[in-house]
Amino acid sequence: GENVEQHPSTLSVQEGDSAVIKCTYSDSASNYFPWYKQELGKRPQLIIDIRSNVGEKKDQRIAVTLNKTAKHFSLHITETQPEDSAVYFCAASYGGSQGNLIFGKGTKLSVKP
Amino acid sequence: DGGITQSPKYLFRKEGQNVTLSCEQNLNHDAMYWYRQDPGQGLRLIYYSQIVNDFQKGDIAEGYSVSREKKESFPLTVTSAQKNPTAFYLCARSRDRDYGYTFGSGTRLTVV
Repeated sequence: GENVEQHPSTLSVQEGDSAVIKCTYSDSASNYFPWYKQELGKRPQLIIDIRSNVGEKKDQRIAVTLNKTAKHFSLHITETQPEDSAVYFCAASYGGSQGNLIFGKGTKLSVKP
Repeated sequence: DGGITQSPKYLFRKEGQNVTLSCEQNLNHDAMYWYRQDPGQGLRLIYYSQIVNDFQKGDIAEGYSVSREKKESFPLTVTSAQKNPTAFYLCARSRDRDYGYTFGSGTRLTVV
């Protein structure tokens, strides 16, 4: 079946450093790729997304890049802050008629002050 | 609340008991979803519905049931057939295919 692989599962950085989380997907028909941030005990919240007709998108300290040929997409967080500490999930739309999202297993990011 | 409300926040189930988790949305969106979250397992799809009176099984539907009698409501029943129901359950809505989901605040279910 279709799946999304996410790496690394845990990531620890010093405050001010950059963090990169990478995902690969299997369905060549996927055309929508959102990223979610989930703080402990709370709901996942959409932080940025990208569609297949765009190679890169930026929103302040967060950016997402997409390589459709390689079926890779990545989340980049610059100048990390302690409040960036959370679990981050990538997702890809399933190319079937429903367009449902398939999620990666998550990356636990810890930003040390 | 992002236009989607889950209740209760915490729920305790006895062995052999069925329990129902509520999910309501007020944005007139067609698509609604139920996910289960376990530590280290990410989000796993239980059921989804794209239209009233229709729903489809996800990856882990065994031991669960749903209904979609109204557009705004998509309740999930965890039946006694679900042998390991302790988890965090998330409901989500979406305006259309290929759009991001908005999640509810979740229900934490514990078997006692």
